[in-house]
Amino acid sequence: DSGVTQTPKHLITATGQRVTLRCSPRSGDLSVYWYQQSLDQGLQFLIQYYNGEERAKGNILERFSAQQFPDLHSELNLSSLELGDSALYFCASSVGTSGLYNEQFFGPGTRLTVL
Amino acid sequence: KNQVEQSPQSLIILEGKNCTLQCNYTVSPFSNLRWYKQDTGRGPVSLTIMTFSENTKSNGRYTATLDADTKQSSLHITASQLSDSASYICVVSAFGNEKLTFGTGTRLTIIP
Repeated sequence: DSGVTQTPKHLITATGQRVTLRCSPRSGDLSVYWYQQSLDQGLQFLIQYYNGEERAKGNILERFSAQQFPDLHSELNLSSLELGDSALYFCASSVGTSGLYNEQFFGPGTRLTVL
Repeated sequence: KNQVEQSPQSLIILEGKNCTLQCNYTVSPFSNLRWYKQDTGRGPVSLTIMTFSENTKSNGRYTATLDADTKQSSLHITASQLSDSASYICVVSAFGNEKLTFGTGTRLTIIP
């Protein structure tokens, strides 16, 4: 158990809908990262927050957005969902933002299925 | 452009045998390299982390090596077990850069 929690575990929805994925980082970690992993694909970095502020952006679609709240939990919002958005979405957390201090601990993931 | 390449893409070996996975990177300036194990449908779990001054690091039956001059790393698994079946991901970090560069992984299958 990494100490990172994600809810829900599974999510099934229809095209065009909007969903929110939630992540709680390990106690003491200030950075939260979101990743997308499609079937048989590698991890694709979406976005990073550090202590409430957006820190780095990866291949995140405009239909997706995220935020980190004062209690450090984070939410990833996916809207106007398409079939291709079906994937595993992982959250990771780390103490800091670079070097050894950004060793990332991953949550169990949310499996999103868009029908 | 920072890149991490892993080989082979997939590997099947018999239980009890050893194997070695490769990682080549072009990330610069190099800070550290991690190997993660990812079971199907689960989040990746860190196996080892090495800085540029470290050549070898072990975690049980897993031994990672690093050659910072040739920008290569390997992960050696000894006496493989069925539970070693997973994807192994090499991740490299650059100094002063928060973004990690992920390899696409090696899918290892252990057969009885």
